[in-house]
Amino acid sequence: DAKTTQPNSMESNEEEPVHLPCNHSTISGTDYIHWYRQLPSQGPEYVIHGLTSNVNNRMASLAIAEDRKSSTLILHRATLRDAAVYYCIFLNAGGTSYGKLTFGQGTILTVHP
Amino acid sequence: NAGVTQTPKFQVLKTGQSMTLQCAQDMNHEYMSWYRQDPGMGLRLIHYSVGAGITDQGEVPNGYNVSRSTTEDFPLRLLSAAPSQTSVYFCASRVGLRTYNSPLHFGNGTRLTVT
Repeated sequence: DAKTTQPNSMESNEEEPVHLPCNHSTISGTDYIHWYRQLPSQGPEYVIHGLTSNVNNRMASLAIAEDRKSSTLILHRATLRDAAVYYCIFLNAGGTSYGKLTFGQGTILTVHP
Repeated sequence: NAGVTQTPKFQVLKTGQSMTLQCAQDMNHEYMSWYRQDPGMGLRLIHYSVGAGITDQGEVPNGYNVSRSTTEDFPLRLLSAAPSQTSVYFCASRVGLRTYNSPLHFGNGTRLTVT
């Protein structure tokens, strides 16, 4: 199965942009990149996803490298409510892991006031 | 829409006891799944289902049974609880197995302790 690599933790100040990196050098052409976040004592929450092009939504932006071996989740202005564990994962669209999401360790984001 | 509802929120079991963790979704999703989350290990897939009557194993299926008799419900059964099953369990659903543009919707989890 394709794997993702994320930093264990990152820190940011409130109202500053945050760039959360993810490496996925073994990604295949049919794997979608999804990002989720998990606030304390809650279930994971969908943030954004993409395949090849950069994506924007009301929560964040996703920048995908041209070779698709890495991506970056961008929070344009971090707030205290954005403190969470952020997971970069694949949605396997083929192979034996067809359709399954595989979660890695995630990045713990701390936001300082 | 309630989304994905899990019950109970908390449960304490003694070793060897059995119980069923309930999961229901009201979004008419075909795909449903169970994850367990342990400290430092992220989320690991236990079992999943792509529709009523169809289930399959995930990454860590041993000690757990599932069934899918309706689209809405996907219960997870522990037949003989063990301390190694102490964890937080999350149920999640998506529109379908092949709907790559649809997100997973998670419940708020069941915290299980086995003594």
